Amino acid sequence: GIQVEQSPPDLILQEGANSTLRCNFSDSVNNLQWFHQNPWGQLINLFYIPSGTKQNGRLSATTVATERYSLLYISSSQTTDSGVYFCAVDWGKLQFGAGTQVVVTP
Amino acid sequence: DAGVTQSPTHLIKTRGQQVTLRCSPKSGHDTVSWYQQALGQGPQFIFQYYEEEERQRGNFPDRFSGHQYPNYSSELNVNALLLGDSALYLCASSLGQGGRYTFGSGTRLTVV
Repeated sequence: GIQVEQSPPDLILQEGANSTLRCNFSDSVNNLQWFHQNPWGQLINLFYIPSGTKQNGRLSATTVATERYSLLYISSSQTTDSGVYFCAVDWGKLQFGAGTQVVVTP
Repeated sequence: DAGVTQSPTHLIKTRGQQVTLRCSPKSGHDTVSWYQQALGQGPQFIFQYYEEEERQRGNFPDRFSGHQYPNYSSELNVNALLLGDSALYLCASSLGQGGRYTFGSGTRLTVV
């Protein structure tokens, strides 16, 4: 199967800081999706991004499919950004990485 | 526009029992996938249903089975429950294969 690796595994940010999360994958995929899981377990789809760059408010994502990686940028972080961020590659089914645990402190 | 709805939200079962979890997909979606998420891990793919048939299956034993109804809603059944089946079970819907996935809030199953 496809290997999906996320880094870093943990991230502690002060409110207002910027950060970059990375997702590497081992083979060609149909698309890549980024999710945020809140402390109650709800997975929110942030981006559907097979290639290129997309922005949604303070979040943006870039996927370079030919080099098999994707980046998620969080700018001006807020405490509500805390949670686990997952990337998932779609090769007929979603294969998730292990996630990045983000804690934003006031 | 309702998102993905899962029931029940929490469930406690005894080893050896059977359980049925339910999922209603987002309006307009026709494909339902089920995932198991153990504590501290990413979700693991169980199976996917489209047009009332199991289209793909992950590395889960036959104790895990499912069904999709004509209205696209779906059930996940687990027989002969083991302690290791304790997890958050997530349902996701999409339009066809390769579409954007929307997840429900999950069912937290505890096996004692």
